[in-house]
Amino acid sequence: QKEVEQNSGPLSVPEGAIASLNCTYSDRGSQSFFWYRQYSGKSPELIMFIYSNGDKEDGRFTAQLNKASQYVSLLIRDSQPSDSATYLCAVRGGGNKLTFGTGTQLKVEL
Amino acid sequence: KAGVTQTPRYLIKTRGQQVTLSCSPISGHRSVSWYQQTPGQGLQFLFEYFSETQRNKGNFPGRFSGRQFSNSRSEMNVSTLELGDSALYLCASSSTGTGIHEQYFGPGTRLTVT
Repeated sequence: QKEVEQNSGPLSVPEGAIASLNCTYSDRGSQSFFWYRQYSGKSPELIMFIYSNGDKEDGRFTAQLNKASQYVSLLIRDSQPSDSATYLCAVRGGGNKLTFGTGTQLKVEL
Repeated sequence: KAGVTQTPRYLIKTRGQQVTLSCSPISGHRSVSWYQQTPGQGLQFLFEYFSETQRNKGNFPGRFSGRQFSNSRSEMNVSTLELGDSALYLCASSSTGTGIHEQYFGPGTRLTVT
């Protein structure tokens, strides 16, 4: 079992819809969780982080964390073509090491 | 505040050669982590340096090494290059002390081994 798992996609959503990206992790001791966006040929860009159970909102983005289910998700409301990218989930566990999932490719279609 | 910088941005090397990549963290950040990114394997953690000491290490062979200087700048070295070392090498810096310590990435160095 991989430490951080994401569906590779592509996940296709129409413009204006809600995109839902999911991530599961195996280390129950994980403390903080991060979402990065990576455009093709570019480096990852931090979108947001979450460390408490529940939801955290930042503009069109909402991160959701459920530690009991070892599940973290990212919702993108009013999806735009410029949101088309690969979204990486990262989890910080014991030893302060950050482990990344392989990413979900999101395509927002006109 | 300036972001993370990496040099060079692109490199072409031949098998058997060695290469040194450089990373300058965000001002005030003392932790620097290195990652290798390939299409098949995604982002793989190489190592993390803090206060000139390696704090964490990933599962890479000893050909991959790094160091950090007193000004927090870091270098990574790959010796005896193999074709499979072709990848995007990313450096990320983070603050230390209390807090979440989110990592911010540099633009990367794209290494091609022929």
